[in-house]
Amino acid sequence: DSGVTQTPKHLITATGQRVTLRCSPRSGDLSVYWYQQSLDQGLQFLIHYYNGEERAKGNILERFSAQQFPDLHSELNLSSLELGDSALYFCASSGNNEQFFGPGTRLTVL
Amino acid sequence: EDQVTQSPEALRLQEGESSSLNCSYTVSGLRGLFWYRQDPGKGPEFLFTLYSAGEEKEKERLKATLTKKESFLHITAPKPEDSATYLCAVQPYTGTASKLTFGTGTRLQVTL
Repeated sequence: DSGVTQTPKHLITATGQRVTLRCSPRSGDLSVYWYQQSLDQGLQFLIHYYNGEERAKGNILERFSAQQFPDLHSELNLSSLELGDSALYFCASSGNNEQFFGPGTRLTVL
Repeated sequence: EDQVTQSPEALRLQEGESSSLNCSYTVSGLRGLFWYRQDPGKGPEFLFTLYSAGEEKEKERLKATLTKKESFLHITAPKPEDSATYLCAVQPYTGTASKLTFGTGTRLQVTL
């Protein structure tokens, strides 16, 4: 158990809908990262937050947004969902340099 | 652009048959190279961080080594419970230091 929690575990929704994924980092970690893992593309970095501020963006679509709250938990919002957004979404947290991953949210868009 | 290539894509070993997984990388200044283990449907589990060429780290049956162009994950006398996908990732020293670029992994299967 990495100490990073993610909810929900599974999410099934329809195209065009909006969903919110939630992540709680390890106790004491200020950094939260979001990654997308699909079968054909592997793990792709989406965005990094540090103590409530956005620090870096990767290949994140404009339809996706994230935020980190004062209690350090983070949410990833995915809107206008398309079939291709179906994937595993992981959050990771770090204190120093190593990133520790949560169990992921499996999103299925029908 | 940072790139990570892992080989082989898949590897099948018998229990006790040692082998090595390769991770070749290009990065504009390496801050760190990371190895993770991932079981199907689960989150990646951190194994090692290597920071400079010549560095080695060990954990149970696993040993990771680093050169200026590649890293190896040596598995000695593997057991069936070592079956998983092993992922390598690089972190650049400049620019977006927080970003990890992952390879597509090596799927390892260890049979009795």
